[in-house]
Amino acid sequence: SQTIHQWPATLVQPVGSPLSLECTVEGTSNPNLYWYRQAAGRGLQLLFYSVGIGQISSEVPQNLSASRPQDRQFILSSKKLLLSDSGFYLCAWSLTGVSGYTFGSGTRLTVV
Amino acid sequence: KNEVEQSPQNLTAQEGEFITINCSYSVGISALHWLQQHPGGGIVSLFMLSSGKKKHGRLIATINIQEKHSSLHITASHPRDSAVYICAVSAGNQFYFGTGTSLTVIP
Repeated sequence: SQTIHQWPATLVQPVGSPLSLECTVEGTSNPNLYWYRQAAGRGLQLLFYSVGIGQISSEVPQNLSASRPQDRQFILSSKKLLLSDSGFYLCAWSLTGVSGYTFGSGTRLTVV
Repeated sequence: KNEVEQSPQNLTAQEGEFITINCSYSVGISALHWLQQHPGGGIVSLFMLSSGKKKHGRLIATINIQEKHSSLHITASHPRDSAVYICAVSAGNQFYFGTGTSLTVIP
């Protein structure tokens, strides 16, 4: 069966510190991978999506970057966190041509 | 049983028709989201609701907190509305998602 793992579940980081959130998918190959963020009081916002290894598309200019070093691994990073980076981050995957998708359990990031 | 149930799973409509997609949930929520996913593309957030009704262009979203039910309406549907529409609820640190409604609007 297909599963998606996202960690950590919660994270408190000081301003200016680096960030690395990891997401891995099991049970499928060549998934489309996504990073979303929900800032306080706002809807979900697509940050990055990837259709293959090393292929990253950015939807919103920001202080974050993403990488896909392996087919089923998607990493969200920042070199220096800002207070405005606080929010709830969700990883998701889907398969091209198949409707529906699966989200990870999310990471609550608080930048202090 | 899923925390969020959507209906219908698939919907085909003629251009110009009024479309309704329903969402029911079983958990206490802080907000309900309607999302749209286009074929081969990412997902965009259409609405975030905690009460009442919101309107954006031809899209209308309503929520009834007491009945734990929300509807997404599309007026004067157009082929470019063809997409998967997903209902999601946020409850504390958790997000629960419906499986989506695949909408096809035929010219």
